[in-house]
Amino acid sequence: AQSVSQHNHHVILSEAASLELGCNYSYGGTVNLFWYVQYPGQHLQLLLKYFSGDPLVKGIKGFEAEFIKSKFSFNLRKPSVQWSDTAEYFCAVNLDRGSTLGRLYFGRGTQLTVWP
Amino acid sequence: NAGVMQNPRHLVRRRGQEARLRCSPMKGHSHVYWYRQLPEEGLKFMVYLQKENIIDESGMPKERFSAEFPKEGPSILRIQQVVRGDSAAYFCASSPPGGGGYTFGSGTRLTVV
Repeated sequence: AQSVSQHNHHVILSEAASLELGCNYSYGGTVNLFWYVQYPGQHLQLLLKYFSGDPLVKGIKGFEAEFIKSKFSFNLRKPSVQWSDTAEYFCAVNLDRGSTLGRLYFGRGTQLTVWP
Repeated sequence: NAGVMQNPRHLVRRRGQEARLRCSPMKGHSHVYWYRQLPEEGLKFMVYLQKENIIDESGMPKERFSAEFPKEGPSILRIQQVVRGDSAAYFCASSPPGGGGYTFGSGTRLTVV
């Protein structure tokens, strides 16, 4: 069965620290990859997505992610976090069957807390 | 261009009552997905619908849960005879024909008392 693993459940950083959140998936075929952010009590907002092409993807709010196919990974990075980045981050995978339709498989999420 | 609209935002039901959650997709989107989020957990897929069709219901509990997306009107997720374990946030997402990504609604937080 397909699965998405986020190994860090809770990350605590000080402002200006660098961030890297891990995401691994288990599926041997072609995938589309997503990172979402959820602020407390709110809906999921798309940070960035990868469908094809350059494996280094830049998203909103200064986030980027790198798709490493050989490692089945799609780690999220930000060089310098801010207090306002405190939120929960979800990695998600969609199995590419010629389109981006179909269900998303979500990781369990990583709660990021940034201290000012 | 309104996003995905879910209502109600909060819903309180007593055990044994029915809960109806509504989702209006973005304009031009004909695919709707329902997910459930329990505390401390990620989103779990429930069902994927197109207009008048259930495409994938592999995540739906076998009993008490049903979903529809009629030709006219919003998609409805219906939970009959709710139990405390149904308390969760239920999110709806929509996507356009041909793909391109997903847009999530603000969710309905169901509390069963």
